[in-house]
Amino acid sequence: EGQLVESGGGLLKPGGSLRLSCAASGFTFSTAWLNWVRQAPGRGLEWISHIKSKIAGGTTDYATSVRGRFTISRDDSRNTVYLQMSGLKTEDTAVYYCVTGGGYHGFDYWGQGSLVTVSS
Amino acid sequence: DIQMTQSPSSVSASVGDRVTITCRASQGIGGHLAWYRQNAGKAPELLIYEATTLQSGVPSRFSGSGSGRDFTLTITSLQPEDFATYYCQQSSSFPLTFGPGTRVDIK
Repeated sequence: EGQLVESGGGLLKPGGSLRLSCAASGFTFSTAWLNWVRQAPGRGLEWISHIKSKIAGGTTDYATSVRGRFTISRDDSRNTVYLQMSGLKTEDTAVYYCVTGGGYHGFDYWGQGSLVTVSS
Repeated sequence: DIQMTQSPSSVSASVGDRVTITCRASQGIGGHLAWYRQNAGKAPELLIYEATTLQSGVPSRFSGSGSGRDFTLTITSLQPEDFATYYCQQSSSFPLTFGPGTRVDIK
């Protein structure tokens, strides 16, 4: 059974930077496609970033709302995926979920989420 | 970007009821649609992918249908843990997009 554990969330001021980490276990990390999905308080789900496995090209995709400000990366030696966030805005306040999948089989494993609050 | 809509936005039901939720894509997505259940304060859970395929471990009271632009999630015999919010999501093309959600609450 796959397990994902996010860390690194917190309270930041607008314009700040933060890196989220997600440690994975229970599945073959190197072949997994990985994503970040966020949920603003009381709102719905928003996919924001995706990275394919290296064997699939390791390509990345981003939602328009975060492109140019957020960067997804992976370290297969540490079974960890990262989300580097910069130029944070109040509207980036959300619970950030680390999620496997993003292909035709949907998002199958979800972390417990990490809260990021951007406020002055 | 492909926009997803869901109806109804909320529905009240009782344990044992049958509930149907619909999802519509702004353009054809073939069968590339997934459904999720999110209980309050929890991470979402994948129920169905490729419109009709039940994720391993998901009870058979959940079923999905549809293709193209219109899709349906049906829950037969609603259980207490099914009072939750349900989201559809298209996996046809990036950016991946979710519907706004359908809340199922207790009548």
